[in-house]
Amino acid sequence: QVQLQESGPGLVKPSQTLSLTCTVSRGSISSGDYYWSWIRQPPGKGLEWIGYIYYSGGTYYKSSLKSRVTISIDTSKNQFSLKVSSVTAADTAVYYCARDRAVGATYAFDIWGQGTMVTVSS
Amino acid sequence: DIQMTQSPSSVSASVGDRVTITCRASQGISSWLAWYQQKPGKAPKLLIYAASSLQSGVPSRFSGSGSGTDFTLTISRLQPEDFAIYYCQQANSFPRTFGQGTKVEIK
Repeated sequence: QVQLQESGPGLVKPSQTLSLTCTVSRGSISSGDYYWSWIRQPPGKGLEWIGYIYYSGGTYYKSSLKSRVTISIDTSKNQFSLKVSSVTAADTAVYYCARDRAVGATYAFDIWGQGTMVTVSS
Repeated sequence: DIQMTQSPSSVSASVGDRVTITCRASQGISSWLAWYQQKPGKAPKLLIYAASSLQSGVPSRFSGSGSGTDFTLTISRLQPEDFAIYYCQQANSFPRTFGQGTKVEIK
């Protein structure tokens, strides 16, 4: 069973850049069957999709975050990463990486990381 | 962006009850809808994809229906482990969007 694991700092200062990495284990990130995605959830609130990267490097970001977000992929390490620049308190959230199935009629986030809490505070 | 609206926001129910949650999309999404269950401190878990297909390993008391703009998640006989927050999500287009969630609470 494929597993995803987020890693990165739990505390980021305002105006700085949030950086997280998702490591994919027991499966290949180079499969063309999935979009590798980031999703976040502010404390006590709902889920917000941030964006995805495809194995080839193609990306798509939520428009309201596009100017501050970069998602990259390292197929040699079976990892993909998220950077959010110029963070504010509004970026405080649990950040999840997730696998979005892109095959047949099965589009859905079928595998999730456990999530990592990132707090923006000085 | 496609807006997803769930109702109710919360529901109180007893073990053994039948619970129905509704999700409405702001535009037609065919059958490209998924449902997730989230328990406190845990990542969401996929229950239903393509509006009515049960994800492997998910109990058969969970079922989904609908197409176009209106969808339903039904829990036929609520079990103690089903008390959680449920989210719908459209998979028709990017950006992916989620409903605001429905909390199923113990009555």
